[in-house]
Amino acid sequence: EVVMTQSPASLSVSPGDSATLSCRASQIVSINLAWYQQKPGQAPRLLIYGASTRATGAPARFSGSGSGTDFTLTISSLQSEDSAFYYCQQYNDWPLTFGQGTRLEIK
Amino acid sequence: EVQLLESGGGVVQPGGSLRLSCAASGFTLSSYPMTWVRQAPGKGLEWVSSFGGTALTTHYADSVNGRFTISRDISKNTLFLQMNSLRADDTALYYCARDSVTTSGLVIDAFDVWGQGTMVTVSS
Repeated sequence: EVVMTQSPASLSVSPGDSATLSCRASQIVSINLAWYQQKPGQAPRLLIYGASTRATGAPARFSGSGSGTDFTLTISSLQSEDSAFYYCQQYNDWPLTFGQGTRLEIK
Repeated sequence: EVQLLESGGGVVQPGGSLRLSCAASGFTLSSYPMTWVRQAPGKGLEWVSSFGGTALTTHYADSVNGRFTISRDISKNTLFLQMNSLRADDTALYYCARDSVTTSGLVIDAFDVWGQGTMVTVSS
């Protein structure tokens, strides 16, 4: 099983700043990596797939990078609405696996 | 509008069974692989099971293999998850989700459409 490890566990950033969230895979997953945003009481929302391709409707200030085992989600010009949990997920191999999540707070 | 609507959750005793349903609208369910993902209270996301689109393949997490069965009814445009021998650690909000199609037409196991979930509580 591919273990996905996200860091940091939580992050507090000021509005207008940028945030960098990391995700590391225990095995090479190529670029078969997705990022999701989940707000309290809501279902997850796909932000990024293919490690760097924005999903339909995802704002341009969300960007993804990386390949192999190390991936990054960068959120620029942070807004209060970006407060949420963020999860990475690999779809390179079965079983599909998610990271444990990063909680992003906009202070 | 593309939507998924889960139902069938509830409170069940350990060892009991439940059948979850996920009704799709706005698209043809049989054209896409579909997946169940769960989230225990206060915890992260856990993949549970996937059903291939045209390939009709199924995959299960080790934690549910042999106890859960994923299926679909094309005539009802509905996905199911039959859950038997339920345990306390199966307590979670169960989401159904649709695989994405990339701009180049490739289907990938990342999920662009989610339902709102149905809660399953296993407790005596």
